[in-house]
Amino acid sequence: QVQLVHSGAEVREPGASVKVFCKASGYSFTSYHMHWVRQAPGQGLEWMGIITSRADRLIYAQKFQDRLTLTRDTSTSTVFMELRSLTFDDTAVYFCAREAPDDYWLDPWGQGTLVTVSS
Amino acid sequence: QSALTQPASVSGSPGQSITISCIGTSSDVGGHDHVSWYQQHPGKAPKVIIYEVFNRPSGVSNRFSGSKSGNTASLTISGLQPEDEADYYCNSYETSGTYVFGSGTKVTV
Repeated sequence: QVQLVHSGAEVREPGASVKVFCKASGYSFTSYHMHWVRQAPGQGLEWMGIITSRADRLIYAQKFQDRLTLTRDTSTSTVFMELRSLTFDDTAVYFCAREAPDDYWLDPWGQGTLVTVSS
Repeated sequence: QSALTQPASVSGSPGQSITISCIGTSSDVGGHDHVSWYQQHPGKAPKVIIYEVFNRPSGVSNRFSGSKSGNTASLTISGLQPEDEADYYCNSYETSGTYVFGSGTKVTV
């Protein structure tokens, strides 16, 4: 079955960077886009960005334009999310979610990675 | 890219119907039919329940239905059941190529 499995929880200090991954299985990795969405504790969902199926397009939400990088490794069916210059407000669960091209909806979602920014 | 506007909470008794609104603009909800809805139980990942305004994925109860009028999308849950108690989020594609979520609605049964 289709699965998206995240890397484990991370703790970083303010100003540092974090790189988390989401490993896909059960489907043709290069046929689907991947989105990243985050959720701060007790808050709503926030869309961060998308890397297309062939990694030929990267679209980021404006607020993350200068510190977010999405990449993918087709040899391991893994997508990576790197966020730089972390602040306390970046403490959140970070989810990956799959989209079939031209579907515009996300299914399934990974279980998420908790990133805690703490001094 | 401001969040779409949803009511913070909606409540209903078992068996009743409730409707959650999702208000956007002509650049997102009103500009096309790429609106989806997600259900999230505490501590779990979101799950899609409606896509392209009114379509239900396989396995989703037909008690969930979606619609849209102008810049407002709506999710209706009919025959409310205890397991429907969760947070619900709308999502829309934006003409800029980005996506935006609603502010979220807590449903209490």
